[in-house]
Amino acid sequence: DTEVTQTPKHLVMGMTNKKSLKCEQHMGHRAMYWYKQKAKKPPELMFVYSYEKLSINESVPSRFSPECPNSSLLNLHLHALQPEDSALYLCASSQAPGASGYTFGSGTRLTVV
Amino acid sequence: KNEVEQSPQNLTAQEGEFITINCSYSVGISALHWLQQHPGGGIVSLFMLSSGKKKHGRLIATINIQEKHSSLHITASHPRDSAVYICAVRRGDDKIIFGKGTRLHILP
Repeated sequence: DTEVTQTPKHLVMGMTNKKSLKCEQHMGHRAMYWYKQKAKKPPELMFVYSYEKLSINESVPSRFSPECPNSSLLNLHLHALQPEDSALYLCASSQAPGASGYTFGSGTRLTVV
Repeated sequence: KNEVEQSPQNLTAQEGEFITINCSYSVGISALHWLQQHPGGGIVSLFMLSSGKKKHGRLIATINIQEKHSSLHITASHPRDSAVYICAVRRGDDKIIFGKGTRLHILP
């Protein structure tokens, strides 16, 4: 298995909802990443998990809460989002921080209404 | 000035043409990635380079570390190659810096 799998592919949520995005990989990668991408813009790094520990938080608002329950799974919990949070959320993984084999998921397209 | 600059921003070409997309960067890197993103879609990693040249099918990627420059070439371009091509560099602190992308449109 050489993929990063993200679910759901599409999500519409209200500003008072709580939802979660899921990212899974079975390549034995020990670094996992969340990116946010607005239309026609490059991805922006949100969080980095290294060996299941949060190593980088790019000053992301607390309404986004990452979680790494195990080395294969990365979640992004969403609560009280704003319409401007609508974007493509991309997950990626690599063998380890600084190592090769950087693999992206196909993303979750989130719309906040 | 962005740490990663790509050119051109937009490129339209006829099917069969040889395509070149350029990437220049201003920081020390451990690797450079070429990525492909179709409209509304996720990102596919095409190449990861730290030196020299790599080839995969009709795609060729080169990097010149001394000049801090990389190129992505597509031979015998096809409409299905239409996508955004993104250059991304990996700094020593593991942070990935993305270029703004080159929007390629191949006409049949």
